[in-house]
Amino acid sequence: QKEVEQNSGPLSVPEGAIASLNCTYSDRGSQSFFWYRQYSGKSPELIMFIYSNGDKEDGRFTAQLNKASQYVSLLIRDSQPSDSATYLCAVNRNDYKLSFGAGTTVTVRA
Amino acid sequence: NAGVTQTPKFQVLKTGQSMTLQCAQDMNHNSMYWYRQDPGMGLRLIYYSASEGTTDKGEVPNGYNVSRLNKREFSLRLESAAPSQTSVYFCASGPSGPDTQYFGPGTRLTVL
Repeated sequence: QKEVEQNSGPLSVPEGAIASLNCTYSDRGSQSFFWYRQYSGKSPELIMFIYSNGDKEDGRFTAQLNKASQYVSLLIRDSQPSDSATYLCAVNRNDYKLSFGAGTTVTVRA
Repeated sequence: NAGVTQTPKFQVLKTGQSMTLQCAQDMNHNSMYWYRQDPGMGLRLIYYSASEGTTDKGEVPNGYNVSRLNKREFSLRLESAAPSQTSVYFCASGPSGPDTQYFGPGTRLTVL
């Protein structure tokens, strides 16, 4: 079992819709959770991080964490063509190492 | 403030050749990391340096060595390149521990 699993996609959503991305992790000791966005041919850039159970909102992005069920999700509201990218979920067990999922590719249709 | 910089951006090697990938950060971060990214595999940690003077193995360290030259610089060396090392290599840095990491632009390496 991989440490961090994501649906590879592609996830295709119409412009203006909500894109919902899911991530599950295997280590119950995980403490910190991150979402990175990666455009094709570019490096990952941090979108959000979440440490506590519940929701965290930042603009059009909402991260949701449920430690009991070992999943973290990312919602993108009012999706724009510029949101078309691969989204990487990363998990940290309170040490120096991040474990990354393989990423979910999102395509926003104009 | 350049963030994390990497050189070179592209490199082609022949099997058995050696090379060093350079990484520098100007954010005064304690921790630095080297990852490789392959299609469908996500990012995998090669080596990391929690602080100046320390280095530790990550998930896929075989065939690589690292040097934390000072607080700013962290290099990755391939002593004898193999085709399996064809990948995109990213350097990252972070303040410390479980905190966020910031990535450099990457090096695309092809080993023939």
